[in-house]
Amino acid sequence: DTEVTQTPKHLVMGMTNKKSLKCEQHMGHRAMYWYKQKAKKPPELMFVYSYEKLSINESVPSRFSPECPNSSLLNLHLHALQPEDSALYLCASSLDRGGKLFFGSGTQLSVL
Amino acid sequence: DQQVKQNSPSLSVQEGRISILNCDYTNSMFDYFLWYKKYPAEGPTFLISISSIKDKNEDGRFTVFLNKSAKHLSLHIVPSQPGDSAVYFCAASVRRNTGKLIFGQGTTLQVKP
Repeated sequence: DTEVTQTPKHLVMGMTNKKSLKCEQHMGHRAMYWYKQKAKKPPELMFVYSYEKLSINESVPSRFSPECPNSSLLNLHLHALQPEDSALYLCASSLDRGGKLFFGSGTQLSVL
Repeated sequence: DQQVKQNSPSLSVQEGRISILNCDYTNSMFDYFLWYKKYPAEGPTFLISISSIKDKNEDGRFTVFLNKSAKHLSLHIVPSQPGDSAVYFCAASVRRNTGKLIFGQGTTLQVKP
């Protein structure tokens, strides 16, 4: 199994909603990542988890809250988002921190 | 401050010919470089990587060249195929174990049959 699975594929939410993005991998990878990608822009790093501990937070607003319940799962909890947060949210994993990243297909998020 | 730059937004190549995608970087501390390919509505797919201790790495039709003195790397695809049409991202990291990968803006490659 060489896949990183993200759900949902699409999400539309209002500014007062609370939602969660989910990511799962079963490759035994110990590092997991959240990236954000706006249209026609490169992916931008948000968070890095290494061995289930948060190791990098790229000054992301607190309305984005990551969670790593175990080595296979990564969540991104969303609350009180703004329309400018609309983007493709990509999860990735690697064997260890800094290695080759495997990306999921992403969640296309629209905030109304 | 854009540390990884892909100055060509797009490239069009005939099937069977060579595709050359270029990438420049400014941070001399980068020591690990990767190329990713991305189709619409999909996540980036890893293609090939190179460590700063090497100047060339080859994998099938894909070869990456690194020129540290010029802070430049390139991806060569030979021969190009229509299925190679996608957006190609160059990425770099400082110290392989930091986990912070910085991406270039991407180059859209179109391979014409």
